[in-house]
Order: sequence, then C-alpha cells, then structure tokens
Amino acid sequence: GQNIDQPTEMTATEGAIVQINCTYQTSGFNGLFWYQQHAGEAPTFLSYNVLDGLEEKGRFSSFLSRSKGYSYLLLKELQMKDSASYLCAVISNTNAGKSTFGDGTTLTVKP
Amino acid sequence: GAVVSQHPSWVICKSGTSVKIECRSLDFQATTMFWYRQFPKQSLMLMATSNEGSKATYEQGVEKDKFLINHASLTLSTLTVTSAHPEDSSFYICSARSLTGSSYEQYFGPGTRLTVT
Repeated sequence: GQNIDQPTEMTATEGAIVQINCTYQTSGFNGLFWYQQHAGEAPTFLSYNVLDGLEEKGRFSSFLSRSKGYSYLLLKELQMKDSASYLCAVISNTNAGKSTFGDGTTLTVKP
Repeated sequence: GAVVSQHPSWVICKSGTSVKIECRSLDFQATTMFWYRQFPKQSLMLMATSNEGSKATYEQGVEKDKFLINHASLTLSTLTVTSAHPEDSSFYICSARSLTGSSYEQYFGPGTRLTVT
C-alpha cells in the first residue's frame, strides 16, 4: 500500500510564503502531483514532479526528494484566493498507474 | 486544452431510483478514466478505473453492481448509481488520462453533487 502524510491545516498571512509538506511511502514510485481544490469544486492541477529537485511555476514551486520520500509545495506572495485544500498524490507503477491521494492540507490565508 | 466535462453538475433524486453521471473528455482522447467520490472535508476516494472497451476495475469495498461504469468510447464514460440511498449522497468526480500524453497527469471534471432524499 501507500502512505501519504500531509498536515491537516495551515494558516498564513496574505503576502507571505507558506510551505506545505508531503511525505510518502511507496514502491515503484512514478511521480508526485500537487492539486489545488477549492471548496465544492474539483481539483485543479498545480505540478508534477518525477525527478528530484525544484520545479518553479510562477508563485508556486514544488520540490521532490525521492530518496527521502518527501515533497513540498511552496506558495509565494500569498493571496486570499489561495485559501483552499492542497492535495498531494503519488503515482506508483505497482498500483497500476493510479494516483493515491493524501487527505489534503486546508490552507487559510488571512489578511 | 485537456478539458473534461461532467453532466449533470448536481442532481437530487429519491431513494431507490438510479442516477447516471456522464464524464466527457472534450478535446482529447482518454485511455483511462477514473471515478472518485468525496465526502465533505475528506480527500478523494478512488472508486474505479475504466479503460475504453473493457470492464472497469473497482477498488476494494466498492460494489460493482451498485456503481455501474461504462466506458463506451475514448471520450465518454458513465457512472450509474443504482438504487440510490441517502448514504450515496456525495460529490462524484471523474478524471481522464490522455491517450497521447507521456505523463500520468489526470484532468479532472468539475464534479457532480448527488443528493439522495
């Protein structure tokens, strides 16, 4: 099976930087996704990491360390609209290429 | 590109009736479509994986006779909730994986909120 852990809730201030961590245990690792999900809506794709290192995309960056089973999502210059749930999902080729989702981190951005 | 639609967006039905939810990939062909269910304040739970032209693979604990999945073409999959009960009320989300894509990225539909009264 696969274990994916992320903090349940985080709070940050508008304009600040926040880092959301995700740790996982899996065999046959084949990539890690980060999704954003606003309440009542479907998830939207943020990033995909398959190799170690940092992927930057505007205000959002995602980091992966396969040896440590660790990833983080970094959000810069936080805006109120960034208040949402952030889901970490792992693909494993021993799981028929399906994504296994973590429980999500609910981020609240305060003025 | 990579747009996935779901219909209906929301539906209310009476206990004992059946409801069909459609998932379409609008601008790409999907080798695989996934059906998820999400209860309030919980993460997505994979119900089943469907590949075009073959039977769906259901996750443990998901009743295949209750949640009928049909993947008749590379752009359409349907989920039918049969004999719905109030505990089936949930947010149902489909996602599709591209036929030509080299990554495992999934494109999510907007979801269907089902309420069974």
